[in-house]
Amino acid sequence: DAGVTQSPTHLIKTRGQHVTLRCSPISGHKSVSWYQQVLGQGPQFIFQYYEKEERGRGNFPDRFSARQFPNYSSELNVNALLLGDSALYLCASSPYGGFTDTQYFGPGTRLTVL
Amino acid sequence: EDQVTQSPEALRLQEGESSSLNCSYTVSGLRGLFWYRQDPGKGPEFLFTLYSAGEEKEKERLKATLTKKESFLHITAPKPEDSATYLCAVQATNAGKSTFGDGTTLTVKP
Repeated sequence: DAGVTQSPTHLIKTRGQHVTLRCSPISGHKSVSWYQQVLGQGPQFIFQYYEKEERGRGNFPDRFSARQFPNYSSELNVNALLLGDSALYLCASSPYGGFTDTQYFGPGTRLTVL
Repeated sequence: EDQVTQSPEALRLQEGESSSLNCSYTVSGLRGLFWYRQDPGKGPEFLFTLYSAGEEKEKERLKATLTKKESFLHITAPKPEDSATYLCAVQATNAGKSTFGDGTTLTVKP
């Protein structure tokens, strides 16, 4: 079975631009979470979605938004990009929305903001 | 606020030299503690989930243990392929998110 897939792999944007990152969960998984990982630090929670509903939101500004589609794939959108948004963006899927479900991570999207 | 502190930040071992990584945590109520392995440029790979103090889990050369304030990841007779960053994360009973530590980067020399 395919694991979590994310696209694109790498992305370079300039300050002020908008970006959309995409994630496809493992087949049969209904929950998707997004994390931001700055170099040298652990992942920081951004959002969790389950059955297309937002289940949790981390301490990120309103420039960050996300949604989940009927096929359980998800998009993360970031508006008005700042230099500090440069990071590895990770998507994780889990079977249900339970908080202690094992989360399976994708390879990430490396975003560079110039 | 939930906090996770991992130590040491970096650890260099010779092949076969056993050691332990530490994860200290502060949460209002622990729902679960997770260990992940992360290779450079890749997403974290799940290793273990621990739910209550006293619980232990093993996988090959790795063994994770949990107390009320910390968790240890014991590595027995490590090999160079065990080189990676090991991340610890906690979920609190009142939070729908995982809080991660900054990881311990392990290097095993042949």
